[in-house]
Amino acid sequence: QKEVEQDPGPLSVPEGAIVSLNCTYSNSAFQYFMWYRQYSRKGPELLMYTYSSGNKEDGRFTAQVDKSSKYISLFIRDSQPSDSATYLCVLRGGNKLTFGTGTQLKVEL
Amino acid sequence: DAGVTQSPTHLIKTRGQQVTLRCSPISGHKSVSWYQQVLGQGPQFIFQYYEKEERGRGNFPDRFSARQFPNYSSELNVNALLLGDSALYLCASSLGTANTEAFFGQGTRLTVV
Repeated sequence: QKEVEQDPGPLSVPEGAIVSLNCTYSNSAFQYFMWYRQYSRKGPELLMYTYSSGNKEDGRFTAQVDKSSKYISLFIRDSQPSDSATYLCVLRGGNKLTFGTGTQLKVEL
Repeated sequence: DAGVTQSPTHLIKTRGQQVTLRCSPISGHKSVSWYQQVLGQGPQFIFQYYEKEERGRGNFPDRFSARQFPNYSSELNVNALLLGDSALYLCASSLGTANTEAFFGQGTRLTVV
């Protein structure tokens, strides 16, 4: 069983839709939870991070963590074509980052 | 304001050869980590260096090695290249080992033929 499970998609939505991206994890040692966005042939860029259960909002993005269920989510409101990318959930325990496989998102006009 | 820079951006090598990849972290960042990203997968942790010392190592063979220099830049070396080493190699920098915000370079795409 992988430490972090993430649906690889691809996920295709119309412009303006609300997008929900999810990951589950198995290791309770993970303490920090992050979402990175990766455009094709580029390095990942940090979108949001949190270390506690609950919601954290930043503009159109909301990160949600439920430690009791070992479940994390990223919601994107009013999705735009520029949001088309691969979204990686990333968990940290100790010094290393553990990545999900990434969900490929396409927002269509 | 320079971000994380990696060189070269693309590289083609033959099986059995050796390769050196380079990374310059963001100014002020003392920690550099290396990741391997195979097509369609998330990045896999290879090494972390902080203040020139290895602070973590992932599940990679001894053919992979790295070092960090006094200016905090880093090199990743891979010996005896295999076809399976073809991947995007990413470098990430952060202020310290415990810092959550890691910033990635654009990566070096290595193709082994």
